[in-house]
Amino acid sequence: DIQMTQSPSSLSASVGDRVTITCRASQSISSYLNWYQQKPGKAPKLLIYAASTLQSGVPSRFSGSGSGTDFTLTITSLQPEDFATYYCQQRYRSPYTFGQGTKLEIK
Amino acid sequence: QLQLQESGPGLVKPSETLSLTCTVSGGSISSSSSYWGWIRQPPGKGLEWIGSIYYSGSTSDNPSLKSRVTMSVDTSKNQFSLKLRSVTAADTAVYYCARCVHYDSTFDPWGQGTLVTVSS
Repeated sequence: DIQMTQSPSSLSASVGDRVTITCRASQSISSYLNWYQQKPGKAPKLLIYAASTLQSGVPSRFSGSGSGTDFTLTITSLQPEDFATYYCQQRYRSPYTFGQGTKLEIK
Repeated sequence: QLQLQESGPGLVKPSETLSLTCTVSGGSISSSSSYWGWIRQPPGKGLEWIGSIYYSGSTSDNPSLKSRVTMSVDTSKNQFSLKLRSVTAADTAVYYCARCVHYDSTFDPWGQGTLVTVSS
């Protein structure tokens, strides 16, 4: 199975900050990488697919980049509603696997 | 707007079979030519893909579940279902259903999730 490792596992930031979350795959997955946002008690929500394509309706302060094994999710100008847990997921090869999550907390 | 809703028992005894149904509204399970997926999340932990099923019945699933999984589709009821046999406490999780986009591997939108606890 392809292992997905996110860093950091948790992150404290303030409203208005810029934050970057990293996801590393155990082998090359080209650009077959998705990002999801999950708020407490809620289902995950698709933010970005194909490493850098914003899902419809997702604010432009979210962006994704990377290919191969290293990927990043960047949130510019953090808003209160952005404090959540973020997961990356590879769809290059079954079984499709997720990172362990990065919890973004308010400083 | 497509919506999904999981339903099924919240408590299952060890060694028995977990059975869940996902009801799709706001669109036809067969007309969208989509795969439909199941993902689970143990309490306080990360996400695990269980499997995906096409409206015609073709499936793909996670080998880690050791062939304990059966998925099915009922187009007449606009539902798809999951059965997980021989459950243990390790199968305790919130189970989500979702529409798959990009074949069987990107999930959007998701149902709200249902907690299934395995305990005697």
